[in-house]
Amino acid sequence: NAGVTQTPKFQVLKTGQSMTLQCAQDMNHNSMYWYRQDPGMGLRLIYYSASEGTTDKGEVPNGYNVSRLNKREFSLRLESAAPSQTSVYFCASSERLGYSNQPQHFGDGTRLSIL
Amino acid sequence: KQEVTQIPAALSVPEGENLVLNCSFTDSAIYNLQWFRQDPGKGLTSLLLIQSSQREQTSGRLNASLDKSSGRSTLYIAASQPGDSATYLCAVTNQAGTALIFGKGTTLSVSS
Repeated sequence: NAGVTQTPKFQVLKTGQSMTLQCAQDMNHNSMYWYRQDPGMGLRLIYYSASEGTTDKGEVPNGYNVSRLNKREFSLRLESAAPSQTSVYFCASSERLGYSNQPQHFGDGTRLSIL
Repeated sequence: KQEVTQIPAALSVPEGENLVLNCSFTDSAIYNLQWFRQDPGKGLTSLLLIQSSQREQTSGRLNASLDKSSGRSTLYIAASQPGDSATYLCAVTNQAGTALIFGKGTTLSVSS
């Protein structure tokens, strides 16, 4: 079972470059999320999509944009990468946001370094 | 603002020992609480989810409890094994149900 698939797994960028992180889930989930994980900071929510066609800001949205392309796919875009965006990025999904018995399922992450 | 704290930050135990990981949160108005496992270089695996109306959940050798009024949860691991070595993360869902707020984790090492 694939679950949540993230591409690429690793990426090195130069400051100012742009890139899009891809995420796809095959569990027919309605809600999807993007987090970043930094040493000493834990995981923090960047953006989420409650359902297809909607997106909302999380705790740390500055410098990022997202697109919910369809029910399966949720992408995260860095328009002008900065060294402060060096992090591990995780995509997650859940059956439906707001249901208290629904766990979130995570991908394996994208390790992004910005020089 | 909700804050989640996990103590200890790291723990080393010999194989076979029973152990408890602690999680505390500052705002008792939560939707649910989840415990995750993260192996080095990997994503998060959901271990247990406790809804706000529940007191505990069990899965195999794992038991998680929730005391919302005191803002605490514990993860009990029975008869620990080297394969249990990982980082364990606690996260609460805010009352709106829109976001998970994570603790920084407890890194567990079980020696054989």
